[in-house]
Amino acid sequence: QVQLQESGPGLVKPSQTLSLTCTVSGGSISSGSYYWSWIRQPAGKGLEWIGRIYTSGSTNYNPSLKSRVTISVDTSKNQFSLKLSSVTAADTAVYYCARVASTAWFDPWGQGTLVTVSS
Amino acid sequence: QSVLTQPPSASGTPGQRVTISCSGSSSNIGSNYVCWYQQLPGTAPKLLIYMNNQRPSGVPDRFSGSKSGTSASLAISGLRSEDEADYYCAAWDDSLSGVVFGGGTKLTVL
Repeated sequence: QVQLQESGPGLVKPSQTLSLTCTVSGGSISSGSYYWSWIRQPAGKGLEWIGRIYTSGSTNYNPSLKSRVTISVDTSKNQFSLKLSSVTAADTAVYYCARVASTAWFDPWGQGTLVTVSS
Repeated sequence: QSVLTQPPSASGTPGQRVTISCSGSSSNIGSNYVCWYQQLPGTAPKLLIYMNNQRPSGVPDRFSGSKSGTSASLAISGLRSEDEADYYCAAWDDSLSGVVFGGGTKLTVL
C-alpha cells in the first residue's frame, strides 16, 4: 500500500525558507486522481491545512499562508515538496504530508516531521 | 479560532456511547463532505470517516458519522480505553477554496 515519508531540516533560522520533501512509496504519485497535500500542527494545537498539488502541477493554498508557500511535484522521483519562506517561530510545528482522495479526505498520512524555527 | 467548531473535550466510561459535534457554515459543511480523523498521542492523524458517514476498511463499526445541514457528528459506541485520542473534523470550504479543520476534541475514557 502507499506510504508517505517526510524529510528535511529539523531546524530553520528565522526569516529563512523551510523546505520539506515527501517521498511516496508503494505506488506512483501519478496514478489515480489524487491530490497531494501538506498539513501542519504546532505543539499542543490543532491541524492546519497548508495546501495541495495535483500531478499536473495545479495547486491550492491556504489563503493565510499563500504569499509564503510553494508546493511542487517531481513525478520522476515520486516526490512532492513544500517551501515556506520568511519563517518565524509561529511556523514551528510538526509537518505532515498526505494523499488526498477528495477535498478533505486525507489518507494515508506520513508520520510527520518536526520543524523548529529558531536562531 | 477554527472555521469548524468542535467542543474541546468529551468523556465517557467504557461501554458508553459518546458523540462529538462539528459545526460549520453553508460554505463548508453545508455544501461539502465531512471527514473525521483520530489522532492517538504522539502519532499522525488517521482517517476515521470520509464522505460524511463512510468508514475505511479496518475502522470498527463502533465509529459512525452523520451530517445535517451545516453540522456533523461523530458517534463512538461501546467506548473502549484505546479510543482515548484527539478527534478532528474537516471539510472543503468553497469561500476559502481550501480545507478547514475543527479545533479538535480530546476524548477521555474515564
